[in-house]
Amino acid sequence: QVQLQESGPGLAKPSETLSLICTVSGGSISSYYWSWIRQSPGKGLEWIGNIYYTGDTNYNPSFKTRVTISVDMSKNQFSLKLNSVSAADTAIYYCARVYHPWSGQIAFDFWGQGILVTVSS
Amino acid sequence: IQMTQSPSSLSASVGDRVTITCRASQSISTYLNWYQQKQGKAPDLLIYAATDLQNGVPPRFSGSGSGTDFTLTISSLQPEDFATYYCQQTYRTTEITFGQGTRLEIK
Repeated sequence: QVQLQESGPGLAKPSETLSLICTVSGGSISSYYWSWIRQSPGKGLEWIGNIYYTGDTNYNPSFKTRVTISVDMSKNQFSLKLNSVSAADTAIYYCARVYHPWSGQIAFDFWGQGILVTVSS
Repeated sequence: IQMTQSPSSLSASVGDRVTITCRASQSISTYLNWYQQKQGKAPDLLIYAATDLQNGVPPRFSGSGSGTDFTLTISSLQPEDFATYYCQQTYRTTEITFGQGTRLEIK
């Protein structure tokens, strides 16, 4: 059974960079896309972006200028960096595996438990 | 692509049949998934590709629809089904979006 676990600081200062890591266990990070999603009371669930194990990325245009997702296959991890954060970036951040039941169809089949990140000085 | 769920909240009793609707702002074929989220937990995938039940999900859950209009039906509500349900479109994989959620409460 694949398991995902988010880790990182629970507090970020305004204008600084939010950095999180997702560690995948129970399976290899290879051959899959992986995703970051966040959830805040004001905006519900927001997809941030995906990364393939090769490093290819897709980002939500709403975050594109501020976000970087990268992968470290040697550690079976992928990470999220979100620059220039503000209070509006306060949310629970989830990592998830992207499931491809067949070509073109995707869904998020395994999720981490989520990590609350608060942006405050 | 905007996803609009209705109702936003719903009260029902154990044993009831419940239907939740999701409407897309443009046609998304069957690139539509449903998730269940319980308080304090991550979402769980229930249905993908509009109609296909994820492994381990009870058959009382079913999905239908294509194009712009989709439904999630729970045929006979069980106590563990009281949760918030979200639809998600993946028609544009570079702009994945979710509905705002439907909170299912006990009457």
